[in-house]
Order: sequence, then C-alpha cells, then structure tokens
Amino acid sequence: AQTVTQSQPEMSVQEAETVTLSCTYDTSESDYYLFWYKQPPSRQMILVIRQEAYKQQNATENRFSVNFQKAAKSFSLKISDSQLGDAAMYFCAYSQNRDDKIIFGKGTRLHILP
Amino acid sequence: EPEVTQTPSHQVTQMGQEVILRCVPISNHLYFYWYRQILGQKVEFLVSFYNNEISEKSEIFDDQFSVERPDGSNFTLKIRSTKLEDSAMYFCASSDLPGQGAYEQYFGPGTRLTVT
Repeated sequence: AQTVTQSQPEMSVQEAETVTLSCTYDTSESDYYLFWYKQPPSRQMILVIRQEAYKQQNATENRFSVNFQKAAKSFSLKISDSQLGDAAMYFCAYSQNRDDKIIFGKGTRLHILP
Repeated sequence: EPEVTQTPSHQVTQMGQEVILRCVPISNHLYFYWYRQILGQKVEFLVSFYNNEISEKSEIFDDQFSVERPDGSNFTLKIRSTKLEDSAMYFCASSDLPGQGAYEQYFGPGTRLTVT
C-alpha cells in the first residue's frame, strides 16, 4: 500500500525567508501524482502545487516550488519569500491515477514569524 | 470560478442518530469523493463514486455509511447510527474526466460533524 510520510510536525520561518517542507512516499508504481495541499484555520483544503511523476521538471507556482526526487521517493515543498498568509497546515499527498483516491500525510504546521 | 459546496457547515447530533451530509460537486465533474479528518489528524479517504456506483471504499466506510447521488447535482453521505468517533470534519471532493486538462480534486469547505 502506498504511504506518505511527513517527518516535521511543525516548522517556523521568519517572514520573507525561505522554508522547505519535507515529504517522502512509498509506492511500487512508476506513474502517479503528488500534491501539496494547504489547510488554513478555515480548514478548507487548497491545492498548492501538483507534480506528475512522469515529468522530470520540478513544478513551480509563483513562490512555491517542489524538489521531486523520484528515485529517492522524496517530494519537498519550498516556499520563498514567506508571507503571513502562508501560515497553515501543509499536507503532502499521493494519488495513483487521475480518478483515484488521494492519500495524505499527517501534515506539517507552518508558522510565519513577523 | 466553480466550486464544491457543502451543507451544513456544522452539524451537531446525538449518538445513534442518522445524519446526512450534503455536497454539490462542480457541475461537469463525474468523480466524487468523501474524506474525513478527525481533529488534529490527517485527512482520510472514505469512498469514491463514479457512474452512480461506488468505485472504491476504505475500511472506515462500513455498513453504517452510504452514499447517494439522488439527482443530477447533489452527492450525499449518510451515517445511519452515529458514534462518538464519527465526530470529524467531512470533506467532499470532485474531479473531471481523465484527459480533461490538469488533474485536480476540488475540495468543498467541509462539514464539521459533532456527535454528543
């Protein structure tokens, strides 16, 4: 069974600084999807960034980028120029197929220090 | 921008009562999901639904749970006899057909279920 592991329950970063959230996963498949979701205090799940495993290029979305290491089964999220609005719980997630369930990690709570 | 909606936002019920959580997926989506998140824990998959039948269900989704798409717009989760441990945030999600652009499951804002 596929699993997603986030080893950092909490992290803090100074406003305007850069922070990296770690994630590892386990799968025997070669094609799959990886995601980072943000959950602010409102508890709405918001997709931050997506990576298709067949793509070698790391995904980027404005200040958010990933470091996808397929052989190491690692998928970290880098947030540049951290802003107060980035404070939230971040979940790393995996999906086997486009219509398949999403498997979430336990999350990393990110605090932004002013 | 189209969005998934869920009602109610908060439901309080007594143990043993039946509850129905409602979701309106994005109108042209065909895959529907329910997830739950017990407070302070990770989001867990409950069930997926496509073409008017369950595609996959987790171990959590036992006989007390059922899903239905009663009309062309609503997608419901019913818990027949609620237990204290059913207290959680329940998220509905929907997605488009494979091949229709970038893949994303769109999540609703959630329904907080409190069982007393």
